Amino acid sequence: AQKITQTQPGMFVQEKEAVTLDCTYDTSDPSYGLFWYKQPSSGEMIFLIYQGSYDQQNATEGRYSLNFQKARKSANLVISASQLGDSAMYFCAMREGRTGSQGNLIFGKGTKLSVKP
Amino acid sequence: GAGVSQTPSNKVTEKGKYVELRCDPISGHTALYWYRQSLGQGPEFLIYFQGTGAADDSGLPNDRFFAVRPEGSVSTLKIQRTERGDSAVYLCASSLLGQMTTYEQYFGPGTRLTVT
Repeated sequence: AQKITQTQPGMFVQEKEAVTLDCTYDTSDPSYGLFWYKQPSSGEMIFLIYQGSYDQQNATEGRYSLNFQKARKSANLVISASQLGDSAMYFCAMREGRTGSQGNLIFGKGTKLSVKP
Repeated sequence: GAGVSQTPSNKVTEKGKYVELRCDPISGHTALYWYRQSLGQGPEFLIYFQGTGAADDSGLPNDRFFAVRPEGSVSTLKIQRTERGDSAVYLCASSLLGQMTTYEQYFGPGTRLTVT
């Protein structure tokens, strides 16, 4: 079973509008972290925002916010006031936090966001 | 400060050859990760180092793949007898600690490997 599911292969948004990118996750670990990364056409993965499983409030970083619904196991990324430079692939990822050596990120397949002028 | 660097940026090799990909993490980062990203997919975990030792190599697809980090900083991913299916972008990432969920991973620009 997929641990991270991103159901939107591609999304379009008008410049200056807000857009929501969907992400659902699956884990039995009570301790985990959720991450969003941006990957422009240059290829580098850029960290955007983090949400811990025990965090009471939704994470926000500038124009990025994470709509965390723990019971639904969803962690949607909201980008407000879209800019042309936001056009990129966006990946949702999870890191399970059980004790031990497991530290890798598990990524979804990504959503390609295109911002229209 | 300097980010994660990876060399070479591109590597073209013939089927059956041996290749080495290098990753230089951010100074002071104890955790180092290798991922592989095929076209149109998200990165897939290969191996994770905590210091000099491989803490988790469960993502390595087979025994043709091997990675080392002898001094706890630079790491080399080694692929023997390359196959066309190994063609992908190999990403390296580092972070401060490997066992905490809060520490983000900083990624390098990747090495694009093409096996002909």
